[in-house]
Amino acid sequence: NAGVMQNPRHLVRRRGQEARLRCSPMKGHSHVYWYRQLPEEGLKFMVYLQKENIIDESGMPKERFSAEFPKEGPSILRIQQVVRGDSAAYFCASSPVTGTGGSAGANVLTFGAGSRLTVL
Amino acid sequence: KNQVEQSPQSLIILEGKNCTLQCNYTVSPFSNLRWYKQDTGRGPVSLTIMTFSENTKSNGRYTATLDADTKQSSLHITASQLSDSASYICVVSAENAGNMLTFGGGTRLMVKP
Repeated sequence: NAGVMQNPRHLVRRRGQEARLRCSPMKGHSHVYWYRQLPEEGLKFMVYLQKENIIDESGMPKERFSAEFPKEGPSILRIQQVVRGDSAAYFCASSPVTGTGGSAGANVLTFGAGSRLTVL
Repeated sequence: KNQVEQSPQSLIILEGKNCTLQCNYTVSPFSNLRWYKQDTGRGPVSLTIMTFSENTKSNGRYTATLDADTKQSSLHITASQLSDSASYICVVSAENAGNMLTFGGGTRLMVKP
């Protein structure tokens, strides 16, 4: 079991370019979450997806950011026309099917190693 | 608004000493609370998870406590090692909220020789 795989681990872009970050969840996990971590700060929720569905995107900036989790292939976080403020570590996490009734197992999140975006 | 507050923000201790990290939350209705360890440049790794019926849970030298009445949790690290240097993040989930989690800002622990 390779765990949650993120790539690239490091990405450098110039202002105005596009950044694409990929996340392959753990085998058997159907839920994917993206978090952003600015330097010296905590993790901030961005978006929660299931296959072909965005469940909650309340943490996503309204412009330039989008996410998808297609039926086949990894989840992708796309940032268009990047700006310096987008420089951060972007973490992906995955979990199995959500349980009910507050089951602790419903919240087993496994994190990837992160993708570090630097915008010049 | 669901919030998780951690203290202290940072802590420096000598190798071999014990320490305790605090977490206060306002997440309601409470489902469970996790402590994660995040090494520099790595993703968070789960240390413990507790539901409202659990008061304490251990994982090696890490012991987490939970007081659901006062909405407080602590993470106690015994006989610290250099490898314990990391950020420790408290994460709380609400009942019937699926996998929506509220993250604390973390405590940065540095263990010095």
